[in-house]
Order: sequence, then structure tokens, then C-alpha cells
Amino acid sequence: NAGVTQTPKFQVLKTGQSMTLQCAQDMNHEYMSWYRQDPGMGLRLIHYSVGAGITDQGEVPNGYNVSRSTTEDFPLRLLSAAPSQTSVYFCASSYDRSGQAITGELFFGEGSRLTVL
Amino acid sequence: AQSVTQLDSHVSVSEGTPVLLRCNYSSSYSPSLFWYVQHPNKGLQLLLKYTSAATLVKGINGFEAEFKKSETSFHLTKPSAHMSDAAEYFCVVSASDTGRRALTFGSGTRLQVQP
Repeated sequence: NAGVTQTPKFQVLKTGQSMTLQCAQDMNHEYMSWYRQDPGMGLRLIHYSVGAGITDQGEVPNGYNVSRSTTEDFPLRLLSAAPSQTSVYFCASSYDRSGQAITGELFFGEGSRLTVL
Repeated sequence: AQSVTQLDSHVSVSEGTPVLLRCNYSSSYSPSLFWYVQHPNKGLQLLLKYTSAATLVKGINGFEAEFKKSETSFHLTKPSAHMSDAAEYFCVVSASDTGRRALTFGSGTRLQVQP
């Protein structure tokens, strides 16, 4: 199994450009999420989805859009890139269907390193 | 609201000596707690998790953690460090009091293992 696949692995943008980070999983997971990782700050949740057609904001959603048209795919869009969005982005999915809290394992992609000049 | 504090940003040990990575948490509800490991330029991998069963949890690669409700702690230990344990470790809490199905990550502890 491929697990969680993120593309691209590296990207350099200029301020104001737009782009989409792709995330696909082949484990039939309902839950998918995007995190950003910055030095000394751990991972912070950007957006998440609990199933096709359902998305919600995380801790740091500003400047990012998501959609979930299929169970497999969960793209993250930057509409107008800013230097503050320079970060490493991780997509993660889980089979967890239990109530409100996540109790199951999150499966992570290998990350997408984005630099905004 | 839930939060996680990893008490050390860096820990350095010698190969063959014990490892202790400290984590305190705060949650209004009974939490699930996790430790994830991240090797350089890789995604995160689950080491172990606590979800209200046994308070001493065993994980992969010889790691274990003990849930202590009275101390709100979930410290990660390993009896004998190996060079391959050098990585960044994240303590993570999951609870339902935010109204959001999400995990809260600590800021990470970088473990160095000296030969």
C-alpha cells in the first residue's frame, strides 16, 4: 500500500502566487487533515475533514482552503502565498470513526516543504 | 481546552543509557494520549497510545509510557538508547472538549544519542 502520498515534496513560490498541495490516501480513511510544522511549535492543524463533502477549520486556517470531493483526496490550496506560509506541510489520515475525539493512529505523509519568497 | 507541554526541547544521552522524555498535559475531559516519532525529513510515526485502558503502555522499539492522572503526565521511557532512536518526539493529546476532532501536539523533544 502507498499509504498517504503528498505532492510536491518541495515548492518555491513568490509572494501572491497560488498553488495546491495534493494529498491522497488509499486506506479508505474517513478522517483527513492538514498540519503545518514550524520550528519549536510542533504541528498545528490547518483544516480537517471527517468524510467526503465535510470540512472544518483547525487552529490556523487563514490563507488556506480545502475541499473533499472524494474519500481519497484532500487538497490544500494557498490562494495568495505569503512569506508567513513558509513551512513544512503534512497531510494525515485516520480510520477513526469514534465520536468526537480521535483515538486511533494518524498516518502521515512525508511532507511538502514550501518556501515563499 | 487541551494543551501539551514537553518539558525539554533537547535531550542528549549516551548509547545504552536510559531515555526519559517528559510530557505534561491539560484536558477538561478524559484524554487519549500519544507519542509520535519523526526521523529527519520524514513524516511522523506512532510510537504508542493511551486510550483509558492500562496506564502503562508499551510501544514499538522498546519504548513505553505511563499515564499518571494525578500528575497529568505521560512520560516516555526506554531502558537502553540506540543510535537509531535519534529523532524528534512529539507528545500529543486528543480530547473532545474543543468541539473539534483534532489532536494537540507538543512542541517536540529532539533526542540525541551519543556513541
